[in-house]
Amino acid sequence: DAKTTQPPSMDCAEGRAANLPCNHSTISGNEYVYWYRQIHSQGPQYIIHGLKNNETNEMASLIITEDRKSSTLILPHATLRDTAVYYCIVRARGGSSGSARQLTFGSGTQLTVLP
Amino acid sequence: NAGVTQTPKFRVLKTGQSMTLLCAQDMNHEYMYWYRQDPGMGLRLIHYSVGEGTTAKGEVPDGYNVSRLKKQNFLLGLESAAPSQTSVYFCASSERRGRDFVNTGELFFGEGSRLTVL
Repeated sequence: DAKTTQPPSMDCAEGRAANLPCNHSTISGNEYVYWYRQIHSQGPQYIIHGLKNNETNEMASLIITEDRKSSTLILPHATLRDTAVYYCIVRARGGSSGSARQLTFGSGTQLTVLP
Repeated sequence: NAGVTQTPKFRVLKTGQSMTLLCAQDMNHEYMYWYRQDPGMGLRLIHYSVGEGTTAKGEVPDGYNVSRLKKQNFLLGLESAAPSQTSVYFCASSERRGRDFVNTGELFFGEGSRLTVL
């Protein structure tokens, strides 16, 4: 699976949009981009994933560049509860039936939402 | 709906002691995983299971054993604990859809088990 590069930390003002970048320049055509977050001392939480089209759900939006070498996770109106480590993960499609594709978590970006 | 439950949540062991961490999920998920997380680091996969009765090694399997005798449970065992195994352990599960669960990649994690080995 392709590696990802994220800034180690970012700040965002409460109520503003938080834009978290991720570089994955070696991504292959069959690899998805996943985002998870981990609030202090809790288990990671799935946020969103995409292949090449932009995606939106109730938590966030995922913008993937046309060449797919980078993506941005957008939290439209950040709150203090969004303070967490955000992980960008690239993961390929699975192989034969029954195989599992593990998610590899890097160091992520520590997002701090400031009051 | 409890999701993924880990027991115990905290444990202190002496070097050489053994213990088992239990993970239980009530979502009828096919896949289950054990990760460890050391301070300031990301999660590393220890072992995983693609179904009842099957297990496989992850990135850091040494010193651990696992069993998946029932679909809803995934046990992580330490036969002879070492200080290097001091960590927070997370269990996760995911659903299989179609030929491969990759269509979601959505893992549900437990709240973690904090293990200290003295």
